[in-house]
Amino acid sequence: GQSLEQPSEVTAVEGAIVQINCTYQTSGFYGLSWYQQHDGGAPTFLSYNALDGLEETGRFSSFLSRSDSYGYLLLQELQMKDSASYFCAVSNVKAAGNKLTFGGGTRVLVKP
Amino acid sequence: DSGVTQTPKHLITATGQRVTLRCSPRSGDLSVYWYQQSLDQGLQFLIHYYNGEERAKGNILERFSAQQFPDLHSELNLSSLELGDSALYFCASSVGDSGGVDNEQFFGPGTRLTVL
Repeated sequence: GQSLEQPSEVTAVEGAIVQINCTYQTSGFYGLSWYQQHDGGAPTFLSYNALDGLEETGRFSSFLSRSDSYGYLLLQELQMKDSASYFCAVSNVKAAGNKLTFGGGTRVLVKP
Repeated sequence: DSGVTQTPKHLITATGQRVTLRCSPRSGDLSVYWYQQSLDQGLQFLIHYYNGEERAKGNILERFSAQQFPDLHSELNLSSLELGDSALYFCASSVGDSGGVDNEQFFGPGTRLTVL
């Protein structure tokens, strides 16, 4: 089967840095994605890693180590609007089709 | 706004009934994905269609079925509804049918289904 582990909740203050770790067990691993979801909203794509290393997109960065089955999302210069749930998701691309399996989500609460 | 539309926004029905959820992907996207999000199960992949063909299946119950039409819109049919089917159902779309360079899926606003 497939499983992803990420912390359930993280609290930090404005301007701080938060790292959300994600470990996964899966077969046919293709890549690791991160999505943000505000309460009552739809998930929105943040980043994607298919190869080892760091991907930076503005205040957000994502890292992947395929050998360790591990990745993380780094949120820098936290803002109040970053309060949301963050999901890691693995892609399993087989002969046909793209299956995205999500972790349980990490709720990030940013305090003033 | 992701460009993916879903109707209806809310649906309240009784156990044993059948409902149809509708999704229109972003213009130009050939793939449609369906997900179920509930408090106890999280965000679960149900099924993936690409250009009218089923490509991947996840934890989709036999009571659920889906299809993608020639105009690329998709419908998710849920029958013999149970209380546990109450959830948010999201549709997402992407350009291709595989991971691709950035693998971005664009999610619609969701349909909140309540089974009483």
